[in-house]
Amino acid sequence: EAQLVESGGGLAKPGGSLRLSCAATGITFRSFTMNWVRQAPGQGLEWVSTINGGGDYLSYADSVKGRFTISRDNAKNSLYLQMNSLRADDTAVYYCATEVHWGHGTAVTISS
Amino acid sequence: QSVLTQTPSASGTPGQTITMSCSGSSSNIEKNYVFWCQQFPGAAPKLLIYRNTQRPSGVPDRFSASKSGTSASLAISGLRSEDEADYYCAAWDDNLRGWVFGGGTKLTVL
Repeated sequence: EAQLVESGGGLAKPGGSLRLSCAATGITFRSFTMNWVRQAPGQGLEWVSTINGGGDYLSYADSVKGRFTISRDNAKNSLYLQMNSLRADDTAVYYCATEVHWGHGTAVTISS
Repeated sequence: QSVLTQTPSASGTPGQTITMSCSGSSSNIEKNYVFWCQQFPGAAPKLLIYRNTQRPSGVPDRFSASKSGTSASLAISGLRSEDEADYYCAAWDDNLRGWVFGGGTKLTVL
């Protein structure tokens, strides 16, 4: 059974950094374009970033461009999101997702 | 302001069929696959429909979807109280080079 499990969330200060991870099992990871999606408290879903299977196509939402970096390690079946220069409005639950699979999310809180 | 437009709320009675819509544009819905997610309070989104009309295994056939031009719709037949949730549509957008989401439709089962 396919499973995506996010980790790495937590509390960080404004201007700080966090690195999220997403471990995939039960899928041929390298075949899937991977995405990060976030949901701020009480809000809807917001796409954050996409990386293709080979890791040579990257795309970012304007709200995170220049601050977040998506990457993947196909040998480890893992997806990452390096988040720098964090702001209060980055507070959200972050989900990794493919076209057909979603993880359960990891919560990120940015507060001083 | 969401790129895709969904009616904020919908309601129905048990057993009824309800349909909710998702409106987009030529850069997203018209040219790319639409997917739908169901989300209960405090839980992660669950994929209901992918590639416009496909149901992942385990999703009941009471859930169906269609797409025409720049709009898509999700239908739920034989409505049940446990269908009360938020429903989001989404699609890849060629201009934004990312997924765009609707603002969600909150379904109430009366």
